[in-house]
Amino acid sequence: RKEVEQDPGPFNVPEGATVAFNCTYSNSASQSFFWYRQDCRKEPKLLMSVYSSGNEDGRFTAQLNRASQYISLLIRDSKLSDSATYLCAVRESGAGGTSYGKLTFGQGTILTVHP
Amino acid sequence: DADVTQTPRNRITKTGKRIMLECSQTKGHDRMYWYRQDPGLGLRLIYYSFDVKDINKGEISDGYSVSRQAQAKFSLSLESAIPNQTALYFCATSENDENRGHNEQFFGPGTRLTVL
Repeated sequence: RKEVEQDPGPFNVPEGATVAFNCTYSNSASQSFFWYRQDCRKEPKLLMSVYSSGNEDGRFTAQLNRASQYISLLIRDSKLSDSATYLCAVRESGAGGTSYGKLTFGQGTILTVHP
Repeated sequence: DADVTQTPRNRITKTGKRIMLECSQTKGHDRMYWYRQDPGLGLRLIYYSFDVKDINKGEISDGYSVSRQAQAKFSLSLESAIPNQTALYFCATSENDENRGHNEQFFGPGTRLTVL
């Protein structure tokens, strides 16, 4: 089983739709969680961190479910400009509870928003 | 100017050649990383460094080596390139702050390497 898994999609949705992605992780000691966005042929960029209590940034909502070991990303009122690949990333705890900064990425979920 | 730069941006080479990919950063970050990205496999960590001359193997280090002689530079070498090393390679940096568990990684623009 991969450490971090995502449904690769592609997700094809019309403008204005709500779409949700899940990402599961296998290591229960995982400490920090992130969603990155990657446009075609470009570098990944941080979209948002995922906090234990869940967090929202405009049309984007991230949730963490530690019991079931998954994180989710919800996009409301999809825009054409949301078309991209969304990568989840998980950081494990280091020795003594520190963070080594090493991330494990999922394979990415492709989203296409059409008119 | 970009904070994290990679050279070259594109490279086509032949099997058996030695290749070096360079990464430079102006962010002042201590931590640097090399990833490769393949379709359907996401980003996989090759090597990482938390300080000058600190080198750590990642998930897929076989066939690669790295050098961190200065804080701002982290180079990746393929001693004898083979076709299955054809991929998109990204360098990334992050702060060295254990208290900021959510510290972000910043990626360079990538190097597209083709090994024939």
